[in-house]
Amino acid sequence: GEDVEQSLFLSVREGDSSVINCTYTDSSSTYLYWYKQEPGAGLQLLTYIFSNMDMKQDQRLTVLLNKKDKHLSLRIADTQTGDSAIYFCAVLGLNDYKLSFGAGTTVTVRA
Amino acid sequence: GAGVSQSPSNKVTEKGKDVELRCDPISGHTALYWYRQSLGQGLEFLIYFQGNSAPDKSGLPSDRFSAERTGGSVSTLTIQRTQQEDSAVYLCASSLGAKGGQPQHFGDGTRLSIL
Repeated sequence: GEDVEQSLFLSVREGDSSVINCTYTDSSSTYLYWYKQEPGAGLQLLTYIFSNMDMKQDQRLTVLLNKKDKHLSLRIADTQTGDSAIYFCAVLGLNDYKLSFGAGTTVTVRA
Repeated sequence: GAGVSQSPSNKVTEKGKDVELRCDPISGHTALYWYRQSLGQGLEFLIYFQGNSAPDKSGLPSDRFSAERTGGSVSTLTIQRTQQEDSAVYLCASSLGAKGGQPQHFGDGTRLSIL
């Protein structure tokens, strides 16, 4: 299956920007998602991007996609304490339906 | 509008017992998925249902695991003769369709602990 990699931890000061990175191996990955998981909860869909796009912005969230390098990033502007969570990158091929997930990045926001 | 609903939210049972986990998808969603989240394995696909088509069971880890979806809506995941390695969070998701990148929306999961 698809390999999806993320760094495991990120610590950021409140009010700063956070950048979470993800790399994947399958160049046919067509749909790329970011999910957020808070303690004891399921996965909340944050945003997603299609492979024919380079960037997508949604309020404080900006997704950047570099298809050549198979690199996806999620930028959170003005990071708040409520942004502390685990963030999962997930990818899907054109005719696929099984999401391949990264291991998740634990984001800790410090005052 | 209601999201994906799973029950029970937590389940503790003894090794060797059978357990049933339930998932109510978002109304109108034809595709339903089960995933498992465990410390050692991360998030793994288990099974997928789409409309009246035969389910994709390729992710089920053993024949102790089975799932059904009645009336194209509610799904039940059954684990027979539970083992300690079955301890995990079982997540259900649904989407409007299975193809075209329709986002999968997840429930809060069932936390299963096998003693």
